[in-house]
Amino acid sequence: KAGVTQTPRYLIKTRGQQVTLSCSPISGHRSVSWYQQTPGQGLQFLFEYFSETQRNKGNFPGRFSGRQFSNSRSEMNVSTLELGDSALYLCASSSTAGVADTQYFGPGTRLTVL
Amino acid sequence: KQEVTQIPAALSVPEGENLVLNCSFTDSAIYNLQWFRQDPGKGLTSLLLIQSSQREQTSGRLNASLDKSSGRSTLYIAASQPGDSATYLCAVTGRDSGAGSYQLTFGKGTKLSVIP
Repeated sequence: KAGVTQTPRYLIKTRGQQVTLSCSPISGHRSVSWYQQTPGQGLQFLFEYFSETQRNKGNFPGRFSGRQFSNSRSEMNVSTLELGDSALYLCASSSTAGVADTQYFGPGTRLTVL
Repeated sequence: KQEVTQIPAALSVPEGENLVLNCSFTDSAIYNLQWFRQDPGKGLTSLLLIQSSQREQTSGRLNASLDKSSGRSTLYIAASQPGDSATYLCAVTGRDSGAGSYQLTFGKGTKLSVIP
């Protein structure tokens, strides 16, 4: 069974631009969660989608948004990029809703904002 | 607000040694605790998941314990190998009282180096 895939793996943007990251979960998994990892703050939860609905949300500004499609693939969008948005963005999938289940992580997208 | 602390931040041991990684959390109202491994430049691999009603979980050379009342967990690695070198992260699932939703809160990890 293929693992969680994320595209692109690396991305360079400039301040003020917007970016869209993509995540394809493990086949059969309906929950997708997104995380931001930085050296200073560590791993922080962004949001979780299940069956195309956002079920949980972390403490991030509205510039961070996401959506999930009927095939469970998910996208995350960051608008008006700031230097501090430079980070590794990880997505994880699980078979059930809520973050209480074992999560399987993708390799991440490394975003650099110049 | 839940806070997760992992000590030490880095650890270097000779191959074959048994070792313990520590994790502490401030709010004992958790649903579960997970230990992950992260290799450089890669995503996370789930190692063990302990539900709040459980005391420990074992997988191969790994054993994780949970003492919810004291807010502590340990990950025991037996007979360490160079391939165990990675960053180990612990994360707890709890309810964010402000947002009313589940939150997975991570520690900043312990970077383990096993020297051949």
